[in-house]
Amino acid sequence: DAGVIQSPRHEVTEMGQEVTLRCKPISGHNSLFWYRQTMMRGLELLIYFNNNVPIDDSGMPEDRFSAKMPNASFSTLKIQPSEPRDSAVYFCASSYRGINTEAFFGQGTRLTVV
Amino acid sequence: AQKVTQAQTEISVVEKEDVTLDCVYETRDTTYYLFWYKQPPSGELVFLIRRNSFDEQNEISGRYSWNFQKSTSSFNFTITASQVVDSAVYFCALSGTSGSRLTFGEGTQLTVNP
Repeated sequence: DAGVIQSPRHEVTEMGQEVTLRCKPISGHNSLFWYRQTMMRGLELLIYFNNNVPIDDSGMPEDRFSAKMPNASFSTLKIQPSEPRDSAVYFCASSYRGINTEAFFGQGTRLTVV
Repeated sequence: AQKVTQAQTEISVVEKEDVTLDCVYETRDTTYYLFWYKQPPSGELVFLIRRNSFDEQNEISGRYSWNFQKSTSSFNFTITASQVVDSAVYFCALSGTSGSRLTFGEGTQLTVNP
């Protein structure tokens, strides 16, 4: 299995632009997670999908952030408009069955908003 | 609410030394799960172990061992005969059955010097 695939690996954008991060989970996994990692706040869960349905989006910072999972093999995290404080590494992870089973992480997208 | 505390921000050892990474957790759930993840310099998070709250048996996997003690709410991780390749940030994490969050500790940066 190729593991969780995220794209792009690096993204540099100007403040105010729309940014879309993409994720392909491991085939057969029914749970997908988006995390953000920063030096100040560590690893934060942004949103959690189970069977393509958002279960917990309380970690999404504000309305500028949105996530979708149109099917079992694809998810997006969108930031519109982006701000410098959104600069972070964004990880997508998937697990076989929910938040209590081990998650497998993608390599992350390093986002820089200038 | 649940919380994970990794009091050791950074640890530096010399190769072949044993090292223990501490993890203390708080939860009101009677059923919960504890995890350790490794984040090497390349950036991706790698799953190491998962433990449920009813299984206090210590586990050994090669040079890695884990000591789970409910009485002290701790889930410590020991690396025996450390190697340079063990240099990474190690995260302890907790999930429970009453909510959907996987809570990470702040991580411990382990540096193994040759």
